[in-house]
Amino acid sequence: AQSVSQHNHHVILSEAASLELGCNYSYGGTVNLFWYVQYPGQHLQLLLKYFSGDPLVKGIKGFEAEFIKSKFSFNLRKPSVQWSDTAEYFCAAANRDDKIIFGKGTRLHILP
Amino acid sequence: KAGVTQTPRYLIKTRGQQVTLSCSPISGHRSVSWYQQTPGQGLQFLFEYFSETQRNKGNFPGRFSGRQFSNSRSEMNVSTLELGDSALYLCASSLSGTGARAFFGQGTRLTVV
Repeated sequence: AQSVSQHNHHVILSEAASLELGCNYSYGGTVNLFWYVQYPGQHLQLLLKYFSGDPLVKGIKGFEAEFIKSKFSFNLRKPSVQWSDTAEYFCAAANRDDKIIFGKGTRLHILP
Repeated sequence: KAGVTQTPRYLIKTRGQQVTLSCSPISGHRSVSWYQQTPGQGLQFLFEYFSETQRNKGNFPGRFSGRQFSNSRSEMNVSTLELGDSALYLCASSLSGTGARAFFGQGTRLTVV
């Protein structure tokens, strides 16, 4: 069955620390991959997406993710986090024209 | 361009009642998907409508249903509400289907008492 797993449910970091959030997917065929972010009280927003091409994808606000096909992974990274990055992050995957399946989310808390 | 609009934003219902939630997608978007978001469970897919037809369905009981109108607006209905139906219900629209980029609304917070 198709699934998306996020390794960490809750991450706490200090400002300026580096961030890596893990995501693994279980999908057959060509897969589209996404990272969404939900800031407190706001709606889900797309951080970045991978459809094809360069496996290193750059998104908004300094985030990037790397698609590693052999590991079925799409980890999210940011070299130096800010307090404003406090949010919940969701990894998601979909086959073309199929439903998007989300991971259970990672709550990121940045200490000022 | 206006974003995805969901109404109402908040609802309180009692067990056994039914509820209808509404979603207006971004203009030009033909795909509308619905998700249930609960703490610890993340977003669980309910169903997707494309050009008035249900194209994908998640693993929810038949009490959850939906429809899409010719203007792409969508409604979701939950009958015989249970306490466990309390959640944030999110609607997402996209141009061609949920494999593409989806834009989310702010959600409807449903509380069942």
